[in-house]
Amino acid sequence: GENVEQHPSTLSVQEGDSAVIKCTYSDSASNYFPWYKQELGKRPQLIIDIRSNVGEKKDQRIAVTLNKTAKHFSLHITETQPEDSAVYFCAASRAGSYQLTFGKGTKLSVIP
Amino acid sequence: ETGVTQTPRHLVMGMTNKKSLKCEQHLGHNAMYWYKQSAKKPLELMFVYSLEERVENNSVPSRFSPECPNSSHLFLHLHTLQPEDSALYLCASSQARGGTGELFFGEGSRLTVL
Repeated sequence: GENVEQHPSTLSVQEGDSAVIKCTYSDSASNYFPWYKQELGKRPQLIIDIRSNVGEKKDQRIAVTLNKTAKHFSLHITETQPEDSAVYFCAASRAGSYQLTFGKGTKLSVIP
Repeated sequence: ETGVTQTPRHLVMGMTNKKSLKCEQHLGHNAMYWYKQSAKKPLELMFVYSLEERVENNSVPSRFSPECPNSSHLFLHLHTLQPEDSALYLCASSQARGGTGELFFGEGSRLTVL
């Protein structure tokens, strides 16, 4: 089955700096890669996703890049703000499957 | 109520108790999921129901028993649990198959097994 590795497990950045979280996956058939954000005591929520037919996707301060050859994808957050502090999860799945495999999460702390 | 709601939010039970977790979605979605979230581990998919039919069962011990009476409700029946079953149990729903569509999560039920 699919295996998703996520790094780093914790990340601290100064407010205004950029943050990058990286994930690798094992199943070359995976073609859907979402990112979820979970604030302390709250539910996980989708913040951005990318499908294998594109290499990059942006939404304001958030971007995701995908390298299918290397089987890795990354989340980039620019101009970080204290409200970006949360745990971020990457995930991978193949079309037609209900099996969404998550990484272990990255705890991002943005220091004011 | 909107979105996905779970009850109870907190549950403490002994190893011999029988309890149930309830999930209700108000989004008109056709798939519902149970995930287990433990510290230092990835979110683990336990069960998936699509149009009230179970489509995934990820080798979950039989002490966890799901039930989906209709497309809006999902239950997780708990029986003779172990302390290592203590975790946050998250319900989710999606319109499309979860692998390619957004999952909408509930707030979770925090379970403690004594």
